[in-house]
Amino acid sequence: NAGVTQTPKFQVLKTGQSMTLQCAQDMNHEYMSWYRQDPGMGLRLIHYSVGAGITDQGEVPNGYNVSRSTTEDFPLRLLSAAPSQTSVYFCASGTGEGNQPQHFGDGTRLSIL
Amino acid sequence: EDQVTQSPEALRLQEGESSSLNCSYTVSGLRGLFWYRQDPGKGPEFLFTLYSAGEEKEKERLKATLTKKESFLHITAPKPEDSATYLCAVQAYTGFQKLVFGTGTRLLVSP
Repeated sequence: NAGVTQTPKFQVLKTGQSMTLQCAQDMNHEYMSWYRQDPGMGLRLIHYSVGAGITDQGEVPNGYNVSRSTTEDFPLRLLSAAPSQTSVYFCASGTGEGNQPQHFGDGTRLSIL
Repeated sequence: EDQVTQSPEALRLQEGESSSLNCSYTVSGLRGLFWYRQDPGKGPEFLFTLYSAGEEKEKERLKATLTKKESFLHITAPKPEDSATYLCAVQAYTGFQKLVFGTGTRLLVSP
């Protein structure tokens, strides 16, 4: 059971570069989301999607773009990387029904120099 | 604004020494409270969902309880493999599937 798969696991970027963090799930979940985790702070929601073609902003969306063309994939794009975006990024998916739990990938550790 | 506060930040126990972790929350209508376990270098792993005050859930040495203002994660006779960071999150009725997380409790169980 693959669950939620994130790639790459590690990445180092220079300020101003762009990149895409990949997230794929094989559980046919409608709901997918991106969080960032920083020391001393709880996971914070960046963007989320309730189904293919539908996305919305979370708590900290600035500097990030998302799209959802398929149920399985939900990539996160950094448009012009900044040192403040150095973080660990987690993708999660869930059924979107009531209070069913979300399941997380193992994260992408991103450093912006 | 929905908020979650976890205490203590860190906890060191001897193997077999039972204790409790606290999660205090304020939320505009609780749809669910979630406990996750996170190991170093890994993503959060789901443990429990609690829906209403008075509810309890158990899994091996862990038991989660819920009141109207807080949740406790009780660890009975812990083992070194229980060492991890435990995260608490709430989901409100108004925030579809959006989770608000606490900063976690780092638990270290020594043999």
